Amino acid sequence: QSVLTQPPSVSGAPGQRVTISCTGRSSNIGAGYDVHWYQQLPGTAPKLLIYGNSNRPSGVPDRFSGSKSGTSASLAISGLQAEDEADYYCQSYDSSLSGSVFGGGTKLTVL
Amino acid sequence: QLQLQESGPGLVKPSETLSLTCTVSGGSMSSSSYFWGWIRQPPGKGLEWIGSIYYRGSTYYSPSLKSRVSISGDTSKNQFSLKLSSVTAADTAVYYCARQSSSYTSGYFWGQGNLVTVSS
Repeated sequence: QSVLTQPPSVSGAPGQRVTISCTGRSSNIGAGYDVHWYQQLPGTAPKLLIYGNSNRPSGVPDRFSGSKSGTSASLAISGLQAEDEADYYCQSYDSSLSGSVFGGGTKLTVL
Repeated sequence: QLQLQESGPGLVKPSETLSLTCTVSGGSMSSSSYFWGWIRQPPGKGLEWIGSIYYRGSTYYSPSLKSRVSISGDTSKNQFSLKLSSVTAADTAVYYCARQSSSYTSGYFWGQGNLVTVSS
């Protein structure tokens, strides 16, 4: 069982907007540690999508956005495209574990 | 341009020790700005943090793996290594090496991954 909780799956039609939640606790997200999001296409390494809660690395479309509040964070994807179909993971730091923690991953299906 | 490359055997026998090395290019392990870590992903499952090493040699391990894991670094070669002892089939996974800022404000930069299968 993952320290950060994500829904196993979400889906949406092309052009729609979807959100993926990531729930933590007082020793990680709630303690103020940043949340990062990754996109993983089949057979490839995870790719950094959002860092520092809401920042996009160079090259990531502005259709992807992140936010954080309290012990939770969210990834929003607007204008869904077929190429967005992938697994998405959130990640943060946990002070009680003295290390990184990940969400269990969310599979996005574009209908 | 930073690159991380894992290397090591793709097949390990049960009860033996898994050993992997990550070679860093385009960046220095001697920088105080980063942690260098190992993350694994069993087939069809999610990501699991294994542990990290800091430039001065301080190490941090997942509590669930701590008794079997050792991470070491060689700044002269710009490499860091993972050893996982007494492996079982449950340790079959893609093993990634990765870099994260020491302030935890940036996400991980990943290597391409190395599939390790535990089987006799």
